[in-house]
Amino acid sequence: AQSVAQPEDQVNVAEGNPLTVKCTYSVSGNPYLFWYVQYPNRGLQFLLKYITGDNLVKGSYGFEAEFNKSQTSFHLKKPSALVSDSALYFCAVPFSGGYNKLIFGAGTRLAVHP
Amino acid sequence: GAGVSQSPSNKVTEKGKDVELRCDPISGHTALYWYRQRLGQGLEFLIYFQGNSAPDKSGLPSDRFSAERTGESVSTLTIQRTQQEDSAVYLCASSRVGGEAFFGQGTRLTVV
Repeated sequence: AQSVAQPEDQVNVAEGNPLTVKCTYSVSGNPYLFWYVQYPNRGLQFLLKYITGDNLVKGSYGFEAEFNKSQTSFHLKKPSALVSDSALYFCAVPFSGGYNKLIFGAGTRLAVHP
Repeated sequence: GAGVSQSPSNKVTEKGKDVELRCDPISGHTALYWYRQRLGQGLEFLIYFQGNSAPDKSGLPSDRFSAERTGESVSTLTIQRTQQEDSAVYLCASSRVGGEAFFGQGTRLTVV
């Protein structure tokens, strides 16, 4: 069965420092992988996706994610964190047979401190 | 519309009452999804509509939950005989085939 895991409930980063939010996956076949962000009192927003091709995927708001097949990971990264990046981040993978029938991880709360 | 619209944004209901939640997807999006997000938790898949195909209801937690969609437009999620454990934010999303999902702001349901 397809699944994703986000091992950290919360990540704390100082503004200006690089950030990483971790995600590991378990899928059969080639994975499709997504990151979404949920800002306070707002809906989920799509950040980026990996379908095929380059292992480094660039997305919205300066975020990027690195697909690592050997480690079955798809960690979200940003070179320099902003206070406004503070939000809840979800990694997701489709159920088998459904491109967008997504299974979400439990979420990681990112807190960026001034 | 410009985005996925959900109504109401908040709903407080008494235990045992029925509630109906509405979702207006983005025009042209053939796929529509409902998810539930309990406080402090991740998203739980409920149901998936794709065009005129039979919906995937595999995520519905009980027979008190049902959903309908008229063609490729509005969807309603109905919860009958609400229970306190139904309290959550109910999120709707829509997408084109093969595209990323766009989410609405959600309906916060509180069962008292």
